[in-house]
Formats: sequence, structure tokens, C-alpha cells
Amino acid sequence: DIVMTQSPDSLAVSLGERATINCKSSQSVLYSSPNKNFLAWYQQKPGQPPKLLIYWASIRESGVPDRFSGGGSGTDFTLTISSLQAEDVAVYYCQQYYSFPRTFGQGTKLEIK
Amino acid sequence: EVHLVESGGGLVQPGGSLRLSCAASGFTFTDYWMGWVRQPPGKGLEWVALISKDGSEKYYVDSVKGRFTVSRDNAQNSLFLQMNSLRVEETAVYFCARDEDRGGDYGYWGQGTLVTVSS
Repeated sequence: DIVMTQSPDSLAVSLGERATINCKSSQSVLYSSPNKNFLAWYQQKPGQPPKLLIYWASIRESGVPDRFSGGGSGTDFTLTISSLQAEDVAVYYCQQYYSFPRTFGQGTKLEIK
Repeated sequence: EVHLVESGGGLVQPGGSLRLSCAASGFTFTDYWMGWVRQPPGKGLEWVALISKDGSEKYYVDSVKGRFTVSRDNAQNSLFLQMNSLRVEETAVYFCARDEDRGGDYGYWGQGTLVTVSS
């Protein structure tokens, strides 16, 4: 199984500042053809289901604000929020869909400093 | 608008069985693989199972193989998860989710149904 490890476990950032969450996979999730990383990022607020933010590691889902961006390739990935807003307080998860079983990171709790 | 509504959760004793349902609407159900993801109270997400568009392919996390069965009724736009020999540690909110046909990301989720395994 591919193990997904996120860092940090929790993060406090001031409003308007940049927040960066890291996700590392135990093996590459890059498919050489079609040259895409099979990695997604989700946001989950209390009492709600997860919401898809990013797929293929860097493609923003429709309707997601452009302050959210995804990067990285192979085994190392990042989710960046360029200017933190109050509504971004949530737990963020990465997920690989390169192989079965699909696996999620343990989550990163993002709070306001 | 896409809607996924889970039902069937509740309290069950260890070793017992439960069948979860997910009613889908607002999209062509047969165009999508569908999955189940669970989340123990206060903990992270765990992928559980996935079923292909026509139900011919099924995948499971190792911990549920032989005990859980995912199925679908395309005529009724419904997804199911039959759970047998339930364990205390499987207490969780169970979400159904739509695979976006891009490899395996989940673009739509239901609100979830709580399964509590306790004596």
C-alpha cells in the first residue's frame, strides 16, 4: 500500500498570510502516460463531508478559489493557500489514486494565528 | 444538481451486520464509478471500497475483504455496502462518493451515515 504522510499535523497562520501543507507518498504516484500525478487534495470543515480542491496534483476543481494551488510531482506535493481567509479553517487531506487501495494522508489541521 | 444521500446507519453489536444505501440523483449514475469512504469519530479518512460503472469490478481495503460487499442497482440509481462481522473499530461515519472518472478523485460526497459498533 502507498503510505501518504502529511506535514505538519497542525498549522496556525495569520489572516492574509501564506499557508503551505506538505504531502509525501511512499512511492511515486506519477503515471508516465499520461504524465499525470494521481493525487488529490480535499478540505473538510467540521460536520461536513470532504470537498475536492485539487486533482492531478495541480488542477483546481471548478469553483475553488484561485488562492488554492497544488504543486509537486512523483512523491512530494504541496497545497498552498496564498492568502489565508477565515473560511479556510479546516482539515486538509491528500489522497493518492495511483493504486489500490486508495489512501489518504492523516490530515493537517489549519487554524488562524 | 448532484445529490448523494446515505442511509442505513445505526447501532449494531460486534459481529453483527448492516447494509448501507446511497441514493444518487442529478447525474447519469451509470457514467460513474462509485465508492465508500469512512471516518471514525475525530479521526481521518479511510478509503473502503470502489465499484465500477456496471458493477463488474470491485475493490476493497484489505481490512474489510471477505466481510464487506459493495454493490449497485443502476436501475434504481443506488449504491450499497453490505457490512458483516462488524468490529468495534469500524465505528465511523460512512460516506458514499462519486469517482470523477479522472483516475480516482472524488468530486461529490454524501453527508454520511453513522455506524456505531458497540455492545
